[in-house]
Amino acid sequence: DAGVIQSPRHEVTEMGQEVTLRCKPISGHDYLFWYRQTMMRGLELLIYFNNNVPIDDSGMPEDRFSAKMPNASFSTLKIQPSEPRDSAVYFCASSLAGTPDTQYFGPGTRLTVL
Amino acid sequence: AQKVTQAQTEISVVEKEDVTLDCVYETRDTTYYLFWYKQPPSGELVFLIRRNSFDEQNEISGRYSWNFQKSTSSFNFTITASQVVDSAVYFCALSESGSQGNLIFGKGTKLSVKP
Repeated sequence: DAGVIQSPRHEVTEMGQEVTLRCKPISGHDYLFWYRQTMMRGLELLIYFNNNVPIDDSGMPEDRFSAKMPNASFSTLKIQPSEPRDSAVYFCASSLAGTPDTQYFGPGTRLTVL
Repeated sequence: AQKVTQAQTEISVVEKEDVTLDCVYETRDTTYYLFWYKQPPSGELVFLIRRNSFDEQNEISGRYSWNFQKSTSSFNFTITASQVVDSAVYFCALSESGSQGNLIFGKGTKLSVKP
């Protein structure tokens, strides 16, 4: 079975540009999570969805970040406008049920904002 | 408040040595879950194990073993006869039963296994 799929794997953009990260969860998983990983702050939960509905977005750093899940097999994380401090690895994860069910992670998107 | 501490930032061993990665957690809940993930140099996060707070039996999977002790709030991970392919960053994580999406990660321990 396919795991969590993320695209692109690498993204380099200039400050002020819009960035869209994409995620396809494991089929049948009802929960989808977006994380950010930086050296300074480690792994942080940004937002998660249950059955396509955002449940907790308290980890979203600011209004420049937004996430959507239009259907059960696709989610996006958008940053507009991007800033150099947004440079990080962004992971998407999915789980069959809510925590504490196991979250399976995608390969991540490494974002560099110049 | 929930918290996960991995005091060892980096560990370096020679191949075939045994190595233990420490994880200490804090939680007020009586029902919670603990996880270990591996992040190899390629960057992906690989699930290793999930343990609930009511199951204190130690777990063994091949060269990997986990020691869960509620009395000391620890969930340590031992690799026996380490191999170069074990080189990675290992994360311990905690989730309380009612928290749904809130998986709290430790800062990780970078393990380097030298040939």
